Amino acid sequence: AQSVTQPDIHITVSEGASLELRCNYSYGATPYLFWYVQSPGQGLQLLLKYFSGDTLVQGIKGFEAEFKRSQSSFNLRKPSVHWSDAAEYFCAVVPSGGYQKVTFGTGTKLQVIP
Amino acid sequence: DVKVTQSSRYLVKRTGEKVFLECVQDMDHENMFWYRQDPGLGLRLIYFSYDVKMKEKGDIPEGYSVSREKKERFSLILESASTNQTSMYLCASSLGQGFGANVLTFGAGSRLTVL
Repeated sequence: AQSVTQPDIHITVSEGASLELRCNYSYGATPYLFWYVQSPGQGLQLLLKYFSGDTLVQGIKGFEAEFKRSQSSFNLRKPSVHWSDAAEYFCAVVPSGGYQKVTFGTGTKLQVIP
Repeated sequence: DVKVTQSSRYLVKRTGEKVFLECVQDMDHENMFWYRQDPGLGLRLIYFSYDVKMKEKGDIPEGYSVSREKKERFSLILESASTNQTSMYLCASSLGQGFGANVLTFGAGSRLTVL
């Protein structure tokens, strides 16, 4: 069955430290890949997306993600975390080719400590 | 700069009540969606609509219905609310076709408590 997995439920990092949030998917072909962020009490905001081409994708707020076909992964990274990055992060996947249903991971909650 | 508006941020209802959750988007998007968000379960699709008066069931449609009479408005209806429908409800929209059809713009959410 097609699925998307975020293995880390909760991550704590110090302000200024680097961050990597993991996302793995299980699909037959390379899907479209997304990361969304949800600040407390808010809806989700798109951070970045991958459809094809360059496997390193730049997004908003200084985030980037790298698509690795061999590992079926699309991990989100940031070199230096700010306190305002504390939020919940969702990986999302869509089978490629036209519009199809978006499937979300269960989310990773990021805590930033001073 | 508001794009997807959910009119009720917090609602408290009693078991058996009929509940309407309203969502309006101002981006002229063809697709609209209702998701339910619960801790540890992520977002689950309830219903979506790709055109006025059209609707498709998502993964968890039981206990819900929807209405889309105008392109910009998509309503979620709980005919008889139950306590297990206590949740955060998120509305989203997207373009009708192309890559943009897969890029969702979300509202701020409606937190429903059923007592």
